[in-house]
This record gives sequence, C-alpha cells and structure tokens, in this order.
Amino acid sequence: KNEVEQSPQNLTAQEGEFITINCSYSVGISALHWLQQHPGGGIVSLFMLSSGKKKHGRLIATINIQEKHSSLHITASHPRDSAVYICAVSGTDKLIFGTGTRLQVFP
Amino acid sequence: DTAVSQTPKYLVTQMGNDKSIKCEQNLGHDTMYWYKQDSKKFLKIMFSYNNKELIINETVPNRFSPKSPDKAHLNLHINSLELGDSAVYFCASRSRGYNEQFFGPGTRLTVL
Repeated sequence: KNEVEQSPQNLTAQEGEFITINCSYSVGISALHWLQQHPGGGIVSLFMLSSGKKKHGRLIATINIQEKHSSLHITASHPRDSAVYICAVSGTDKLIFGTGTRLQVFP
Repeated sequence: DTAVSQTPKYLVTQMGNDKSIKCEQNLGHDTMYWYKQDSKKFLKIMFSYNNKELIINETVPNRFSPKSPDKAHLNLHINSLELGDSAVYFCASRSRGYNEQFFGPGTRLTVL
C-alpha cells in the first residue's frame, strides 16, 4: 500500500462541473502539496499547506491533519484544467507522491 | 529566466551507453533533487543534495551517479543504460527551511 493514496485515478467531467480529488496519507508530514502536470510534462506546484484551507482562483485545497486527508476542488471546471493532479507529502527532506489523478474536462 | 532548467529535454540512446542529464537552478536554493517518473506517471525520489552533499539515496542502482559541482547544479550520470531506465527524470530544488519545491521541465530518456 502506498503511503500516499489518491482517488479517483481517472476523472472525466463536463465543462462547468465542480471537481473533487482526494488524497489520504499514512505518514507524519510537515506539509502537503498539490501539483499539476500538463500533457506537455512540466510539473507546477499549485498549493502547499499544513493546515486549514487555501484558495487560488478556481482552485481550493483543504487538509484535515487529524484524519490525514486532503482534498483539491476545482470550481467551474474548464478544458484547460485537463491535466494530472498529484498529491505529495513532505516529511524528512523528501517528497512522497501519490499515484496521480488524470482529469479530462470536455467542452 | 527559467528557475530550474534541465538539459537535454529528450534523450534517445542505445542500451549499454553512458549518458548525463544536467540540472541548474538560479533560485539560490540549498537543496536539489532528482526524481524518476515511470510510464504510469508515478514519481519517486532518487537523490537529494544539500549544499553539494548527498543527503538521500533511495536504493538507486549504482549505475546512477549524481554529481554536484556547486549548489546551483546537480547532474545525473547514468552508466550502462538499461531498457528499464526509460522514464522522465525531473530535477527540483528548494530553499532550506521551506517545503515548496520547484521542478525543472523534465528529461524524457528513451533507451532502445
């Protein structure tokens, strides 16, 4: 079992839908990261959080430390949101990654 | 003004060859990493360097040898390439005491 689990693995949505991606982890962490990887391959950091909630545009990330769970929400999804979303946790100087969620948003 | 750069972006080579991938960051960060992303898009750490000193070596075959000539550079040399080495390799860096990592664009290595 991976130390970081994401669900779902694949997600298809219609433009405008509200999307949720979940991440659970089983190790002690100093922070949790949400990363985005577009088909071109580059990895971009969306959020880094250790408690509560963060919002950036249409993206919202939440974390519950007690339950070792985080969610990434996308409001009013758009085809350009199509990408792989990766949850990662940082503990002792390294990132441990989830298996990623492949999101496709259709017009 | 790329923050973390890698060269080359694509590398196609034959089994048994030796190749290098270069990484440079201009962010003034202390810590640099190499990650491997397999065909299923799963990322895993390979190495971590802090101020030119090896911190993490995650059971990577010793055919892989990282080299850090200074804290802005972390190169990856791979000897005797095997088919299973085909993957995308990402370099990343972060500042000491801060968790956020900045990733390079990746190098897609294909071993034929």
